[in-house]
Amino acid sequence: SQQGEEDPQALSIQEGENATMNCSYKTSINNLQWYRQNSGRGLVHLILIRSNEREKHSGRLRVTLDTSKKSSSLLITASRAADTASYFCATVGTGGGNKLTFGTGTQLKVEL
Amino acid sequence: NAGVMQNPRHLVRRRGQEARLRCSPMKGHSHVYWYRQLPEEGLKFMVYLQKENIIDESGMPKERFSAEFPKEGPSILRIQQVVRGDSAAYFCASSPGTDSMNTEAFFGQGTRLTVV
Repeated sequence: SQQGEEDPQALSIQEGENATMNCSYKTSINNLQWYRQNSGRGLVHLILIRSNEREKHSGRLRVTLDTSKKSSSLLITASRAADTASYFCATVGTGGGNKLTFGTGTQLKVEL
Repeated sequence: NAGVMQNPRHLVRRRGQEARLRCSPMKGHSHVYWYRQLPEEGLKFMVYLQKENIIDESGMPKERFSAEFPKEGPSILRIQQVVRGDSAAYFCASSPGTDSMNTEAFFGQGTRLTVV
């Protein structure tokens, strides 16, 4: 399996509910980032968490990082229909540079 | 400050033709990354360039694909003799430097290549 796998692959919830997506990776990292991609569009950076951080918040987003388990989670609270998109985690390894290794993504659908 | 600009947004090529994809990084950014996204998949790293230098091309196919980032002008991803399997969205990202602990990459809107 490849570096950076998201779980679940697809998630459908009602507006107002919370959405949780998980990401696992394989190698040592400098940081982990979450991106959102609307259908057919480019990627929007959501949040970056460094390897020495365990939790980070940004508005309705909460990200956790467990380097011992090589996993991260993204929580979107009080979801809105506009949150419907694909969400990707991406890691920056310790080899230098800012090269991102992406996961396979979670497709989130928020229904009214 | 304009974001990362990619053109064209859509490109249709016949098998055997050449495709040239352009990327202008954000102002002040000297690092450019190219990624490819197949339908329903995540992005796959292709190549990392700084001005006039290829730093890491480990994700780029050895044949038909090349990339450059000249001293002046945009970065170019060139695909020669395209085949149907090259049909994908190609994204460019830029970042200001090599501080891996803090730097987010800014992505362009992508070029969607269709080979017919």
